[in-house]
Amino acid sequence: SAVISQKPSRDICQRGTSLTIQCQVDSQVTMMFWYRQQPGQSLTLIATANQGSEATYESGFVIDKFPISRPNLTFSTLTVSNMSPEDSSIYLCSVSKNRGSNTGELFFGEGSRLTVL
Amino acid sequence: AQSVAQPEDQVNVAEGNPLTVKCTYSVSGNPYLFWYVQYPNRGLQFLLKYITGDNLVKGSYGFEAEFNKSQTSFHLKKPSALVSDSALYFCAVRDIRRGSTLGRLYFGRGTQLTVWP
Repeated sequence: SAVISQKPSRDICQRGTSLTIQCQVDSQVTMMFWYRQQPGQSLTLIATANQGSEATYESGFVIDKFPISRPNLTFSTLTVSNMSPEDSSIYLCSVSKNRGSNTGELFFGEGSRLTVL
Repeated sequence: AQSVAQPEDQVNVAEGNPLTVKCTYSVSGNPYLFWYVQYPNRGLQFLLKYITGDNLVKGSYGFEAEFNKSQTSFHLKKPSALVSDSALYFCAVRDIRRGSTLGRLYFGRGTQLTVWP
């Protein structure tokens, strides 16, 4: 398994501001992902955080709105830029320890609950 | 397209009774299926997965799931429910199509399980 710590756990933000969420893993992992869980809805993949290169974004998500960093194999950040109330969600960091395999499960952090006023 | 459906938003069951949380899937190729649980204000916790082999998969906390290829289902079950099982349960399928994001999961909308004393 993996122990994943996210900061902040929750925050209330003003419209137009930006917030950076940190994800720290207790061991080196091959793959890190950022998911969004909107109120009453399922989880949606935002992007894959690639170590040492630009993140790979899913359809509907762009780097200008959700810049991601991954400087090493245990840490990543997600920034939610120029926030609007529609960005109010839980943002979840997720990791996989199985390089090149689709059979391993993902492990999730406890999430960062953002409320945008 | 890869997708899962959880037809029930809520499931209510008395403590000690068996519980079933339903999931059906639609995939191209062989399905890799997962169940996760989310307790209030917590991240997702892995329960169990089906990759290949026995159709009955056993997981954490006494849960099990039955893979049924003909019915394209992967229902989560527990013989005797506990009040502490009350949580949000997500079914997910791994995207294994060529060229897709490695490790990506498609999640159902979730089923809120309530077990009353």
